[in-house]
This record gives sequence, structure tokens and C-alpha cells, in this order.
Amino acid sequence: GESVGLHLPTLSVQEGDNSIINCAYSNSASDYFIWYKQESGKGPQFIIDIRSNMDKRQGQRVTVLLNKTVKHLSLQIAATQPGDSAVYFCAVPSGSARQLTFGSGTQLTVLP
Amino acid sequence: GAVVSQHPSRVICKSGTSVKIECRSLDFQATTMFWYRQFPKKSLMLMATSNEGSKATYEQGVEKDKFLINHASLTLSTLTVTSAHPEDSSFYICSAEDITGGTYEQYFGPGTRLTVT
Repeated sequence: GESVGLHLPTLSVQEGDNSIINCAYSNSASDYFIWYKQESGKGPQFIIDIRSNMDKRQGQRVTVLLNKTVKHLSLQIAATQPGDSAVYFCAVPSGSARQLTFGSGTQLTVLP
Repeated sequence: GAVVSQHPSRVICKSGTSVKIECRSLDFQATTMFWYRQFPKKSLMLMATSNEGSKATYEQGVEKDKFLINHASLTLSTLTVTSAHPEDSSFYICSAEDITGGTYEQYFGPGTRLTVT
């Protein structure tokens, strides 16, 4: 089955700095990857996704990079703000019903 | 964007009782919904895939007789925790799959905090 993991469980950054959150996956056949943000006591919120035929995708203040060679993806948040404080998960769909397998999550804390 | 609701948001029940959690897709139809549980400071673990009009598919290790899932309409799936025990206390989250446009996007509900005393 799919195995998804994150390199660091916690990350603290100064407000205004850039944040980089990493994720490794095991199945080289995975073709779609999603980043979610989860605030305390709430459900996951979609941030950005990327398909395997791309190696970079940009959104508003966020960029996802995909390195299929080493099965690694990262989420970059530019000019991190206090409202970015949350747990960030990468997720990979698999199986006949496209069930999501979530990584272990990274707690991002933005320091004033 | 697509909205998924859950009810209740919080519930406290006594050990041995049953609790029903509802998951609704408010502005789209969902033939497939998913149920997850999440322990504190842990990731989401898929419990089961809820299929409209058919039996749910449970993940390995999830007791189907304890976690009853019903997906009777295209906008509603329910999860019933039967004979709840303190170890069932957790954050339960549903998601609904919107296949409009063929993108198969999943939208998550806000979660239900279950506390069994």
C-alpha cells in the first residue's frame, strides 16, 4: 500500500519568512498529490495539488514542488503569516475509490 | 466551493450507548463519502468508504458491526458508533467526493468530536 510521510513533525518560522514543508511517498506509480491545511478542531482544507506530469505548481503564496526521482514533494509558503499556523498534511489518492492516504503531518507555528 | 457539513460538531455520551454522526454534501451530490478518525496530534486514518446504495467498504482493522455506515441518499452518509467505549473517543471526519467535471475532488466536513465517558 501507499506510504506517505513527513520529514519533520514541527516547524517554527518567523512571521514574514518563507516556510518549507516536506513529504516523502513510497509508490512510484502515484500520479496525484494534494496538500491540506488543518486548523485546530477543524477538518482539512485543500491548499494545492499537483499531478505527476508536473514538477512545480504555484498558487497564491504557495508552491508545490514534486521530485519524482526521489519521490519527494514539498510545500512552500511565502511570507508566512500568523494565520498559516496549522498542521499541514500531504495526501495521496490510491485504490479503486481513490481513497486518500495522509502523511503524518507537520505542525507549523508562526512566531511574531 | 463545495461544502460538507457534519452534525453534531461535538457529542458526549455514556459508555455503552450508541451515537450517530451525519455527513451531508450541501451543494453537490456524492456517490462516495469517506469516514476518517483522528486522534490528538495524529494524522487522519481512513475507516471506511461509504457508497450510495450499497454496503460500505471498511479498512482493515475497523469493525463493521461497531461502526455502522449508511449512505441512503446522494447527499447524506451516517456513521453510528454502537456500544461506544472510552477508547472510541476521537475526532471523526467525513469527506465527500465531487465528481462534477470529472475531477474527483474530496471535500472535508468540519469534524465531530466524540467523547465517551
